[in-house]
Amino acid sequence: KAGVTQTPRYLIKTRGQQVTLSCSPISGHRSVSWYQQTPGQGLQFLFEYFSETQRNKGNFPGRFSGRQFSNSRSEMNVSTLELGDSALYLCASSSLGTETQYFGPGTRLLVL
Amino acid sequence: EDQVTQSPEALRLQEGESSSLNCSYTVSGLRGLFWYRQDPGKGPEFLFTLYSAGEEKEKERLKATLTKKESFLHITAPKPEDSATYLCAVEDNYGQNFVFGPGTRLSVLP
Repeated sequence: KAGVTQTPRYLIKTRGQQVTLSCSPISGHRSVSWYQQTPGQGLQFLFEYFSETQRNKGNFPGRFSGRQFSNSRSEMNVSTLELGDSALYLCASSSLGTETQYFGPGTRLLVL
Repeated sequence: EDQVTQSPEALRLQEGESSSLNCSYTVSGLRGLFWYRQDPGKGPEFLFTLYSAGEEKEKERLKATLTKKESFLHITAPKPEDSATYLCAVEDNYGQNFVFGPGTRLSVLP
């Protein structure tokens, strides 16, 4: 079974731009969660989608948004990028009835 | 508010020198406690899920245990390839989200 895939793997943007990251979950998994990882803050939960609906949301500003499609693929969007948004963005998927999350390799975003 | 702390922050071991990593948590009803391993520049790799106090799980040189307040990841006779950051996370009974600890950075020297 293929694992969680994320595209792109690396991204360089400038302040004020917006970015869209993509995540394809493990086949059959309907829950997708997004995390931001930085050296100072560690892994922080952004939001979770299940069956195209946002089920939970972390404590991030409204510039961070996401969506999930009918095939469970998910996208995350960050608008008006700030330098502090530079981080590794991780996507994780899980199947119904199990709490275990499986992570993708991440997208490393650098904001200049 | 759910909280997870991990100690030590960093640990250096000689190959074959067994040790334990600690994960202390505060959660309003534990649904599950999770251990992950993360190599630099990669996503976390799932290791174990523990659900109730007294539960233990093993995988190769790793053994995870759980009490009502903390979990331990025991590493027996570690090898250099065990070098990584080990992350602990909890999910509460409300299933709101995962809360991760800051991790323990393990280095195993040959």
